[in-house]
Amino acid sequence: EIVMTQSPATLSVSPGERATLSCRASQSVSSNLAWYQQKPGQAPRLLIYGASTRATGIPARFSGSGSGTEFTLTISSLQSEDFAVYYCQQYNNWPRGTFGGGTKVEIK
Amino acid sequence: EVQLVESGGGLVQPGGSLRLSCAASGFTFSNYEMSWVRQAPGKGLEWVSYIDNSGSTIYYADSVKGRFTISRDNAKNSLYLQMNSLRAEDTAVYYCARDSPPYDYWGQGTLVTVSS
Repeated sequence: EIVMTQSPATLSVSPGERATLSCRASQSVSSNLAWYQQKPGQAPRLLIYGASTRATGIPARFSGSGSGTEFTLTISSLQSEDFAVYYCQQYNNWPRGTFGGGTKVEIK
Repeated sequence: EVQLVESGGGLVQPGGSLRLSCAASGFTFSNYEMSWVRQAPGKGLEWVSYIDNSGSTIYYADSVKGRFTISRDNAKNSLYLQMNSLRAEDTAVYYCARDSPPYDYWGQGTLVTVSS
């Protein structure tokens, strides 16, 4: 099984600041990496797929990068609605996609 | 508009059974693979099961293999998860998700609680 590790577990950021979230795979997943956002009481929402392609309707302030085993999600200027938990998921070993443990982005 | 609506969750005793349903609309259901993903209270996301668009290829996570059965009815635009021999550790919100891959649309989830 491919293990996905996210860091940090919690990120405290002020509105308007940049947030950088990391995701590491235990073995190469090529660019088969997705990022999801989940708010309390809601289902996850797809943000990024293919490591760097924004899903439909996702604002340009969200960007993804990386390949192989190291990936980054950057939120360029945090808005109030961006405070949430973010999960990465590899789907290189599809359909047995594995998720990271999540990063909670909270208001500083 | 793509919509996925789960139903069938509830409280069940250990060893019991439950059948979850997911009603799909807003897209051609028979063209898409589907998956079930669960989330235990306060925990992360765990893939549970996958079914291809025709229902001929199916996979399960080791944690549910032999106890859960995924199926679909393309004529009814519906996905199902039959859960038998339920355990306390199966307590979670269960989501159905359209599997492109990755999961581009999710339902709102249905809560399954396994407790005596």
